[in-house]
Amino acid sequence: EIVLTQSPGTLSLSPGERATLSCRASQSVSSSSLAWYQQKPGQAPRLLIYDASSRATGIPDRFSGSGSGTDFTLTVSRLEPEDFAVYYCQQYGTSPRTFGQGTKVEIK
Amino acid sequence: QLVESGGALVQPGRSLRVSCTASGFTFGDYSMSWFRQAPGKGLEWVGFIRNKANGGATEYAASVKGRFTISRDDSKNIVYLQMNRLRTEDTAVYYCSGGWGWVDPWGQGTLVTVSS
Repeated sequence: EIVLTQSPGTLSLSPGERATLSCRASQSVSSSSLAWYQQKPGQAPRLLIYDASSRATGIPDRFSGSGSGTDFTLTVSRLEPEDFAVYYCQQYGTSPRTFGQGTKVEIK
Repeated sequence: QLVESGGALVQPGRSLRVSCTASGFTFGDYSMSWFRQAPGKGLEWVGFIRNKANGGATEYAASVKGRFTISRDDSKNIVYLQMNRLRTEDTAVYYCSGGWGWVDPWGQGTLVTVSS
């Protein structure tokens, strides 16, 4: 099983600042099969990024994903008020599909 | 759009079936997945079912294998999650979603509480 470790656990930033979230895998994720999801309280997750760097339909271009192998990054170039949420990475290169434990982006 | 239903309070050891009804896309072309989220915790993959073109194959997380079964009825645009021998640790919001790798869209979830 591939274990995904996200850091930091919590990121305290102000609107307009840049957010950099990390997701590290315990072994290489095949074919960059990594996705990022955003979840707000009381809501279902929303797909942001798939295949490590492809933006999902309707996702603003301030969200970008990068990385390969075991190290992946989600960057939010300028935080908007609606971006404060919990972010999860997920690998789907092998079964079982696994998630990171989440990074909470909170307002400083 | 995906809408889950069937969540309930059930006793440990009992069974429950939750459903997910799809609309707005060609359901039969899609593999479908189930996930869950225990109260205050992160996301956990439960399993998926491939579309008919891929034989309707299923895979499950180790924590539910042998107890949970995913099935689908393409004529009704519904995917089911049959949960047997429920445990208190199965308490969670259960989400269905489209796909078997990256997944989109997600339903709003249905709460399953396992407690005596």
